[in-house]
Amino acid sequence: EAGVAQSPRYKIIEKRQSVAFWCNPISGHATLYWYQQILGQGPKLLIQFQNNGVVDDSQLPKDRFSAERLKGVDSTLKIQPAKLEDSAVYLCASSLLGLEAKNIQYFGAGTRLSVL
Amino acid sequence: DAKTTQPPSMDCAEGRAANLPCNHSTISGNEYVYWYRQIHSQGPQYIIHGLKNNETNEMASLIITEDRKSSTLILPHATLRDTAVYYCIVRVAAFAGGFKTIFGAGTRLFVKA
Repeated sequence: EAGVAQSPRYKIIEKRQSVAFWCNPISGHATLYWYQQILGQGPKLLIQFQNNGVVDDSQLPKDRFSAERLKGVDSTLKIQPAKLEDSAVYLCASSLLGLEAKNIQYFGAGTRLSVL
Repeated sequence: DAKTTQPPSMDCAEGRAANLPCNHSTISGNEYVYWYRQIHSQGPQYIIHGLKNNETNEMASLIITEDRKSSTLILPHATLRDTAVYYCIVRVAAFAGGFKTIFGAGTRLFVKA
């Protein structure tokens, strides 16, 4: 079974530029998550989709970050314009929709963003 | 904020059992305890989860105290490849009918030869 695919693996941009990350979840997983992980910290949830609807974006800096999940499958996360403090690893995860007992998240390898 | 507290780091000798503690004193009756680990340059990987009974799978064992206020993840025979950051998570109720996963800083486990 294929895992969660993310691209690119690495991205270097200058501040005030724009950047986009792509995620392809595990087939059949209705729930998709984007996390931001700053060096030395645990991942922080940015946004959670259930199919193609947003169920939690309370931690997403909406003035510069946006995300979409068209057709309830692939997702993109965009930053425009980027700031130095956005340097981090951006992780995508997916899970089946169901009982809490089955809510296991599967993570991609992440995209490492460096903002210069 | 995360509902769990973990020691920042631990050492373990290769071949010995690694016992990673976690406190979750405010856990509610229907909240599960999940463990994930993150090896360098990879995304977190699910290990095990439980509600109130002890659980075991091919990777680890999870021991939850009777009052459910703490738990211990046990790696029975640690190898060098088990060196990673281990996260203990109790998902918090968020949007209607849903839960949010909040990661703390985790425990950095060093397995030494």
